[in-house]
Amino acid sequence: SYVVTQPPSVSVAPGQTARITCEGNNIGDRSVHWYHQKPGQAPVVVVYDNSDRPSGIPERFSGSNSGNTATLTISRVEAGDEADYYCQVWDSITDHWGVFGTGTKVTVL
Amino acid sequence: QITLKESGPALVKPTQTLTLTCTFSGFSLTTFGVGVGWVRQPPGQALEWLTLIYWNDEERYRPSLKSRLTITKDASKNQVVLTMTSMDPVDTATYYCAHRHTNGMFDYWGPGTLVTVSS
Repeated sequence: SYVVTQPPSVSVAPGQTARITCEGNNIGDRSVHWYHQKPGQAPVVVVYDNSDRPSGIPERFSGSNSGNTATLTISRVEAGDEADYYCQVWDSITDHWGVFGTGTKVTVL
Repeated sequence: QITLKESGPALVKPTQTLTLTCTFSGFSLTTFGVGVGWVRQPPGQALEWLTLIYWNDEERYRPSLKSRLTITKDASKNQVVLTMTSMDPVDTATYYCAHRHTNGMFDYWGPGTLVTVSS
């Protein structure tokens, strides 16, 4: 089955840029969705369809996807961005099953 | 406004069957393209997609758990039911139900329910 891998952790100073990668075989051919999750809360979509933002998500959150790597970029990081981040794709063109990435803990220094 | 909420036992014994109900509002599970899925998260671990049911009754299952999972829907009651057999302590997790948008993202989630498997 399809596997997507994320770095376990990313640390970033306030005001700097955090980049979280999601690696999978030809992931660029798939649509990638990104979620953040704060302790004790359900996940929330921050980017969908590789690079679109739901209403209410700051422009500081952006996404890209090409080749074997999708990337979530958080610009001008704030303390409130500290959370776990997950990418998500579907295993096949016909959406046989969902796949979440291994998750990345973003720590704001 | 779309809302979902999970309900079911907080504690099950090993070998027992878990039944969780997702009760939702703000959308219909008879609308083209709509789906409701289940995702779980063991304590301190990553999200794990389990199963999904579509508006047209098509079902999708995590391959490694397919033999243990069943998902059903009652559109008239706005409910989706997850059944998981042969529960084991490793199945201890927070179980979430979520609305699947037509583009494949899970855009609305329930608050989750913690299920502990212990004798």
